[in-house]
This record gives sequence, structure tokens and C-alpha cells, in this order.
Amino acid sequence: GAGVSQSPRYKVAKRGQDVALRCDPISGHVSLFWYQQALGQGPEFLTYFQNEAQLDKSGLPSDRFFAERPEGSVSTLKIQRTQQEDSAVYLCASSIKAGGHQETQYFGPGTRLLVL
Amino acid sequence: AQTVTQSQPEMSVQEAETVTLSCTYDTSESDYYLFWYKQPPSRQMILVIRQEAYKQQNATENRFSVNFQKAAKSFSLKISDSQLGDAAMYFCAYRSSGTYKYIFGTGTRLKVLA
Repeated sequence: GAGVSQSPRYKVAKRGQDVALRCDPISGHVSLFWYQQALGQGPEFLTYFQNEAQLDKSGLPSDRFFAERPEGSVSTLKIQRTQQEDSAVYLCASSIKAGGHQETQYFGPGTRLLVL
Repeated sequence: AQTVTQSQPEMSVQEAETVTLSCTYDTSESDYYLFWYKQPPSRQMILVIRQEAYKQQNATENRFSVNFQKAAKSFSLKISDSQLGDAAMYFCAYRSSGTYKYIFGTGTRLKVLA
């Protein structure tokens, strides 16, 4: 594809439901990032993958959040037992390089999650 | 812990004029990267410009330039000849060398007046 895609674009969940958010990075991109963007705020880092390896998950807010990228391409962010404070836009970004000064993140359109 | 602060929630500029968006950061690291990202309404975030901390020369990209003051930990974005398409949220971001974690500010909403 031409860019990073995310699905679904919108998700409404009842409190306590599990949700799965998908990210399709640009083909061949080594790095993949997940961010949480609350209304009126900047993106907050959740986790980072280099190929299939999750090298940094320091931003995951609780053990209800889990991310995977089993084949080094598509990634899924799963949130178990959703709570109202999980309502946010979840952004995915990919980069062809892994770190370094030339790294450029390409962002997807985001998934807007609303937990009722 | 590193922090990024954008003290201007909203700025306005007349079309064709110049505007400067402010960003300050706090870090004890010496090697890091700074970025400005643009998030247009209902569109994807894109990179506008980046600066490596080890470079003294300020980065420029066409109408966009930065004023990087390492000692003051300041990283402002100047947009020259503002265009209607520049209207967006602008986020300042920081990443320490050797890590993958980006830290973003809260953003500045830029309005461009015709």
C-alpha cells in the first residue's frame, strides 16, 4: 500500500469488552510504533517493534494492553477489559530504518476508540 | 525524565506572514533528536523538520526553519510565507539517541487567516 493503514477507523466498545486494533505498516518498514492520543493532547508512546521483536513496551499503561507483531509486518494492539479512560485515538507509525538520525516515522490515520 | 513543553495552545497568522511556534524541552542527555510534526484536521501526522542535537546549524526545509538553542533547551519552528494549507496542529517531539521512545508536546493549533 501507499501508506500506513489502520483498522477499524472507529470503534465503540462497552466497558469491560476486549478490543483489537490493527496496523498495516508500509511494506519493508523495520520499525513500528504505537501511540495513544487523548483528546487535545499529543501522542503518548506505547510500544516499539523492530521487525517482530518488541524492544520497548515501557509506555503500555497497564497489563490490559498487549501488542504483537508476529511476522514483522502487521501489528495488533489488544486492550482487554476496556475502561472509559482508554477512550482515545490510537496511532500507528512505521519507519524503514531502526533508530538513527535518518529515521522518519510515517503515521497512519488512527483508530478512534470510544469506551462507553 | 525527559519532557517537552509547548506553551502556546493556539497561534494565528495572516496568510503570507511569518509565525514562530515555541518548544522547550528538558533532558540530561547530550545526544538526541528534535522534531516538528504537523497534524492537519482529520489527516495523518507528517514530519515537518528534524534537528540532530550534535549539529549546530539550524535545519531548514523550504519555508520551515528551526531555531535550535541547545544550552537553553529551546527548539522553535518558524514558518515563512504562511499558506492556508499550513493550518494544523503542530507537535514538537524529542527522542534520545539510542532509544526508540518519542516524547511529544501537547501541541499548538495554528490558524492561518486569509
